[in-house]
Amino acid sequence: IVLTQTPLSSLVTLGQPASISCRSSQSLVHGHGSTYLSWLQQRPGQPPRPLIYMISNRFPGVPDRFSGSGAGTDFTLRISRVEAEDVGIYYCVQTTDFPRSFGQGTKLEIK
Amino acid sequence: EVQLVESGGGLVQPGGSLRLSCEASGFTFSNFAMSWVRQAPGSGLEWVSTFNARGAAFYGDSVRGRCTISRDDSKNTLFLYISGLRDDDTAMYYCVREYPQGVPAMPHCDYWGQGAMVTVSS
Repeated sequence: IVLTQTPLSSLVTLGQPASISCRSSQSLVHGHGSTYLSWLQQRPGQPPRPLIYMISNRFPGVPDRFSGSGAGTDFTLRISRVEAEDVGIYYCVQTTDFPRSFGQGTKLEIK
Repeated sequence: EVQLVESGGGLVQPGGSLRLSCEASGFTFSNFAMSWVRQAPGSGLEWVSTFNARGAAFYGDSVRGRCTISRDDSKNTLFLYISGLRDDDTAMYYCVREYPQGVPAMPHCDYWGQGAMVTVSS
C-alpha cells in the first residue's frame, strides 16, 4: 500500500487553516470494518507524536484545532488555526495491512 | 504511565550486527503487538518490523532476511536483531506500541519511544 501526501510542504500564516491530503493506493478498510489510518506530528529533534487514529479520533491531549476526515482511500488532516507550535512534519500511516506504510511527510512552516 | 525505552544503538561497521532492545512499562506488554520504525537522517519514517501478541513476525522489504524481531513477555522487552548492516541502515530506530491484540477499533501506534541511533560506518 502506497500512501501519497500532498502538499509536501506548506507555508501558512499564523491563525490561518492548513490542510494535508493522504491518498492510499488501495482501500484501508480492514476486514472487520475499521480503517486504520493515523496521523503523526514530528517536531524537530523529537520522536513522532500521535495526533489522530482511525481517520478522525484525536488522541488525548491533542488540541481540537486538529481534525481528521476521509474514507476508503482519501484522507485529510486539517488544522483550523495554525499556531507556532504546529511547525513540524506531518505523516499519515496505515496499519490496516502488512507491510505498514507511511506517507512521505508534509513539512509545515509558518509564513 | 506507558513508557518505551530503547537501548543498544551505536556505531557499527558495515557487515556487522546489532541487537536493539525496547523495555516497556505501564501496560500489559503481552497483550500488544509491538513494532520497530526507523528514520534515516533527514528522511521520513520507515516501518521495519512488527511482532504481534500471537507470535507472528512481519518484516519490511529492506530488512527481510537480515533482521529478526523477538520479544520476552516475562521481561516486557522487545528486541530487534539486524545483521549484514549497510550504510543505509543508519537511522534512529523507534519502538512503537502498535495495537492491542484481538481488540478491533482501538488506537494504533499510540506510544513511541525516544529512539536508539544506529550508525553504520567504517
